[in-house]
Amino acid sequence: QKEVEQDPGPLSVPEGAIVSLNCTYSNSAFQYFMWYRQYSRKGPELLMYTYSSGNKEDGRFTAQVDKSSKYISLFIRDSQPSDSATYLCAMSLNYGGATNKLIFGTGTLLAVQP
Amino acid sequence: GAGVSQSPRYKVAKRGQDVALRCDPISGHVSLFWYQQALGQGPEFLTYFQNEAQLDKSGLPSDRFFAERPEGSVSTLKIQRTQQEDSAVYLCASSPWDSVSGNTIYFGEGSWLTVV
Repeated sequence: QKEVEQDPGPLSVPEGAIVSLNCTYSNSAFQYFMWYRQYSRKGPELLMYTYSSGNKEDGRFTAQVDKSSKYISLFIRDSQPSDSATYLCAMSLNYGGATNKLIFGTGTLLAVQP
Repeated sequence: GAGVSQSPRYKVAKRGQDVALRCDPISGHVSLFWYQQALGQGPEFLTYFQNEAQLDKSGLPSDRFFAERPEGSVSTLKIQRTQQEDSAVYLCASSPWDSVSGNTIYFGEGSWLTVV
C-alpha cells in the first residue's frame, strides 16, 4: 500500500463547476501538506501549502486538511479551461533539518470543458 | 529565466547506454532534490543535496544511479547501463533553505528519458 493514495481520474467537468480533489495517507507523522499543479510536459508548481490541520483559501482554491481522518482535499471554484492539468497532492515530515522529501500522490488528471 | 534549468529536455538512449542529466538550480539555492516521475505516476524521491553534500540517497533505485553536486551548484544525475524501466521524467528541484518544509521547493521542467 502506498503512503499517499490519490484517485488518478481522469476527471472531466464543465466550465464553472466546483471541483473536489482528494488524497488519503497512512503516515500520521506528516505535517506539511501541499497541492501541486502540473501542466503537460512541465514541472510541478506549488498551488497550495498547509501546515497541520485546517483550511486555507487562496482565490478560487481552498485546501483542507483533516489529520484525524488522514484526508486532504483541494476545492476549485468556478473552474476554468486553464485549470486543466494534473493535480498532485504531496506531504512531508518535519525532521527539523533533515531531508524533508516530498511524498506525492499519483496525481489526478482534470479536464475543464468550455 | 531565473528558474531551475534542466538539460537535455529529451533523451532517447539505447538499452545499455550511459546517460547524464544536468540540473542548474536557482542561483544561491542550498538544497537540491532529484525526483523520478514514471508515466501516469507522481514524482518519487531519488536523492537530496545540501550544498555539495549528498545527505540522502535512499531513493536511488539501484547502484546504476549516481548523483553528484561537486561545487554545490550544478548537479548531474548519471544512469549507467540504462534499462527500459528507467524510462521516466527526471525532475530536479531546489530550495533556498537547508531545512525544507515544502513551500519553498521549485521544480524544473524535467528531463524526459526514453530507453529503447
